[in-house]
Amino acid sequence: SQQGEEDPQALSIQEGENATMNCSYKTSINNLQWYRQNSGRGLVHLILIRSNEREKHSGRLRVTLDTSKKSSSLLITASRAADTASYFCATGGISNFGNEKLTFGTGTRLTIIP
Amino acid sequence: DADVTQTPRNRITKTGKRIMLECSQTKGHDRMYWYRQDPGLGLRLIYYSFDVKDINKGEISDGYSVSRQAQAKFSLSLESAIPNQTALYFCATSETGGWGYTFGSGTRLTVV
Repeated sequence: SQQGEEDPQALSIQEGENATMNCSYKTSINNLQWYRQNSGRGLVHLILIRSNEREKHSGRLRVTLDTSKKSSSLLITASRAADTASYFCATGGISNFGNEKLTFGTGTRLTIIP
Repeated sequence: DADVTQTPRNRITKTGKRIMLECSQTKGHDRMYWYRQDPGLGLRLIYYSFDVKDINKGEISDGYSVSRQAQAKFSLSLESAIPNQTALYFCATSETGGWGYTFGSGTRLTVV
């Protein structure tokens, strides 16, 4: 079964607006990562947040993590047409070694309307 | 050249045939993974390997086998392909103690 579930499954917004995607997971984690997938292509790592962090920024990306609710959100600000893609959260288990095998969610399909 | 290369990119095969998907990497990473992606199901882990002598089953290993020929090469085999193995297959790598995965571009496999 999937560890993570993204919400919504699909999202369409106008270019320039902000896009927010949510991820919920089931078990305790060491870290949570977000990936982007352009249609039919390989996934690209975007950002990682550790379980002891609450918020992280990278360029136009902002990730939050609430371990008490077992949830995370990814915010993309000032969206661009090139942000059209599917976004996946992935969770890593409790480990001292980092990068234990990741479990991926089902993804959010984001469409930016020019 | 891509850091993680998968071959072939596309393959159509018949039910019952044996097929091998290959993955090679130039990242120098110890860890390699095979995932399959189906619409609406996200990515599911088939097999993973933390070093050349280490092979582990993932959540959906039935019907698949793997071979880690070298640090840089990790192959996935379907011994007797069946139609429900039609999917997009991804190889990924990561560094021991590191964090993010590097993915290949995928192999689209169709079993008819």
